Amino acid sequence: KAGVTQTPRYLIKTRGQQVTLSCSPISGHRSVSWYQQTPGQGLQFLFEYFSETQRNKGNFPGRFSGRQFSNSRSEMNVSTLELGDSALYLCASSVDWDEQYFGPGTRLTVT
Amino acid sequence: DQQVKQNSPSLSVQEGRISILNCDYTNSMFDYFLWYKKYPAEGPTFLISISSIKDKNEDGRFTVFLNKSAKHLSLHIVPSQPGDSAVYFCAASETGSSNTGKLIFGQGTTLQVKP
Repeated sequence: KAGVTQTPRYLIKTRGQQVTLSCSPISGHRSVSWYQQTPGQGLQFLFEYFSETQRNKGNFPGRFSGRQFSNSRSEMNVSTLELGDSALYLCASSVDWDEQYFGPGTRLTVT
Repeated sequence: DQQVKQNSPSLSVQEGRISILNCDYTNSMFDYFLWYKKYPAEGPTFLISISSIKDKNEDGRFTVFLNKSAKHLSLHIVPSQPGDSAVYFCAASETGSSNTGKLIFGQGTTLQVKP
């Protein structure tokens, strides 16, 4: 089975711009979660989608949003980028509530 | 408020010996726990999990122990190999609740296995 894929792998954006990241889960997995990893805050939960519905949301501002499509693929969007948004963004998929399998991540740099 | 804590930032062990990584949690609603291994610039790799109805789970060289009364879990790696050198994260979740699908991670422990 193919693993979780994320595109793009690297991205450089300017403050104020917006960005969309994509995640394709493992076949058969209906849950997709997004996490942000930074050196200072570690791995923090952004949100989780299950069958196209946002089931859970972390403590991030409304500039961070996401969606899930009928084929379980997911996108996350960050609007009005700030320098502090520079991070590794990780997507994980699971069947439901169980173990999550992570993709390689998208390294976002905001300048 | 850090709900999952890994108090040892680093651990160094000799090849062939046992590695023990520890994790403490504060939220008594957590009922599912996982360990992940991570290399720089890669996503975490799932290692092993345990449900709160168990106190031990084994998978090859990896064993996870859960002590619910102490709100403590540990990962044992026996025997340790140089390829095990990485950052290890423990994570916890509440299943069957409004927090389903949300993993809370510890800060990680860097394991170095010396040949």
